[in-house]
Amino acid sequence: GAGVSQSPRYKVAKRGQDVALRCDPISGHVSLFWYQQALGQGPEFLTYFQNEAQLDKSGLPSDRFFAERPEGSVSTLKIQRTQQEDSAVYLCASSLVGELFFGEGSRLTVL
Amino acid sequence: DQQVKQNSPSLSVQEGRISILNCDYTNSMFDYFLWYKKYPAEGPTFLISISSIKDKNEDGRFTVFLNKSAKHLSLHIVPSQPGDSAVYFCAATPVSSGSARQLTFGSGTQLTVLP
Repeated sequence: GAGVSQSPRYKVAKRGQDVALRCDPISGHVSLFWYQQALGQGPEFLTYFQNEAQLDKSGLPSDRFFAERPEGSVSTLKIQRTQQEDSAVYLCASSLVGELFFGEGSRLTVL
Repeated sequence: DQQVKQNSPSLSVQEGRISILNCDYTNSMFDYFLWYKKYPAEGPTFLISISSIKDKNEDGRFTVFLNKSAKHLSLHIVPSQPGDSAVYFCAATPVSSGSARQLTFGSGTQLTVLP
């Protein structure tokens, strides 16, 4: 597609459930980023891939968060044993050089 | 510890007037600054940027000013239009990012342009 595509757009999970969020970046974009945006806040960096290599995961809040990009294209952000504080919009962005292009985000609500 | 701060959560401006959105940063390693615009239920979209070697960058109705000594930047929109109503995020990135722009964002300012 022409832009970054994320799915699902909305996810409601019960506390303790595992969730997986998918990101399809713009074709040919080498760099892929995941950000977490809490209500009323700006996006906060989670992790960064260059092709299939995860070069920075310093922003992942706990070991319950895991991201992968096995073939250097589609990426999945997995959250295990979700907690209420994980409720947020998860934004994926891709880049060739320079500016980031964001998807619409996946809104996760943990009950 | 917020490295990029937008101290005004909201701003209302009359159509046709100037909108000025402000942003302060603390990390002296930041060398490239961007403004993103976000409509409800959409992802942020890039608006305008400025490198630390400049103090002004203009693109149509949008101008970004950078004051490195004060660690302050601002976005001017003139004339403001109702379609400009959105949340505006200031973002910054350090020299070490290289070609991959890992951004640090402010908390955003909701701009409302009144017709």
